[in-house]
Parts: sequence; C-alpha cells; structure tokens
Amino acid sequence: RKEVEQDPGPFNVPEGATVAFNCTYSNSASQSFFWYRQDCRKEPKLLMSVYSSGNEDGRFTAQLNRASQYISLLIRDSKLSDSATYLCVVNYPFNFGNEKLTFGTGTRLTIIP
Amino acid sequence: NAGVTQTPKFQVLKTGQSMTLQCAQDMNHNSMYWYRQDPGMGLRLIYYSASEGTTDKGEVPNGYNVSRLNKREFSLRLESAAPSQTSVYFCASSEAVIDTDTQYFGPGTRLTVL
Repeated sequence: RKEVEQDPGPFNVPEGATVAFNCTYSNSASQSFFWYRQDCRKEPKLLMSVYSSGNEDGRFTAQLNRASQYISLLIRDSKLSDSATYLCVVNYPFNFGNEKLTFGTGTRLTIIP
Repeated sequence: NAGVTQTPKFQVLKTGQSMTLQCAQDMNHNSMYWYRQDPGMGLRLIYYSASEGTTDKGEVPNGYNVSRLNKREFSLRLESAAPSQTSVYFCASSEAVIDTDTQYFGPGTRLTVL
C-alpha cells in the first residue's frame, strides 16, 4: 500500500461549485498533515495544515479522520484560480527516529467557466 | 526577499556528465532539502540538511551528493548522470527540520539526461 494515496483526477468542476478530495495514509503513527497546492510547472506551496479538530481558511476546509486514516479538503464556491494540483502531505517516520514529509501524487482540479 | 532560488532552471546532460544544482534561501532557515518529482511518483526526498554543517540521506539518495556550503546554500551534485535521473528537482527550506514546519520551495530545475 502506498504511504499516501490520492485520486489523481482530473476533477473538472464548474465555477461556483463545491468540490472535495480525500487522501488516505498508511502509517497510523503519522502526526502532521498538510495540503499543498501546485500550479502547472510551478513549485508546491502550502495551502493549509490539517488539525485534529478540523480547520477552515476562507473557502477551504480541511478535516482529519484518524480512525479511517484519511484527510479531506473541501473547496466551496470554487474560482477559476483554484485550478491546480492539490498535494496531500503526511509526516512519516524513517531512519532511526527521523521523520520526513511524504507527498501524495496529487489531485488535479480544473475549474470550468 | 527572493525566498528560495535555484539555478539553473533547465539543463540537458548526456549520460555520464556531471553537474551541480545550486540552491539558496534568504529566509535564515536552518533546514534545507532536495526533492525530485516524477510523473505519478510524488515528490521524493533525496537529501536534507537539518542545520549548517550536517547532511543526511533521504528516500532516494543513490547517484547524488550534497554540500551545505553555509546556512544559505545547499547544492546537489550528480557525479555521473543517468537517464533515470531525468526529473524536476526542487530545493526547499524550513525554519527547522521538525516536519510540522512549513517548507518553502524553489522554482525547480528541469533536468533531462539523454
């Protein structure tokens, strides 16, 4: 099983709609979770961290479900500028206590006018 | 503030050639990272430097070497390039190696090895 799995999409969504992505992770010891956004041929940028209680930033809501080991991202009232690839990122222990961030392959979202 | 800068932006090498990818950050961050991104694979950690003077292997270190030249600069060297090293390489930095810290990425280097 992959450490972090995402539906690659593409998700083609009309402007103004609500869209949600899920991401599953394999290591139950993971403690930190993030969503990064990556525009075409650009670098990834942090969109938001995901907290146990869930968190909201404007039109974006992130949720964590530890029991089922998945995180979700909900985008409301989608804008054309939301078109991007969304990367699910989870910390993962390795090498004698070191930790690293594990990146999912991304979910591609296109907002249609 | 330029953030994280990388040079070059594009590079084409022949198999067996060597090159060094340069990375610099002006955010006074302690930790720096090198990733590669391949289609369908996600970003994978090559090497990281928790602080000036230290470097450690990541998930896919074979075929690469790194140097943390000072707090600002972290270079990645390919001694003998192979076609399997064709990829997009991203440098990143963060305040500390604690994984909860936000990582800031450079614009990437697109490398093709023929």
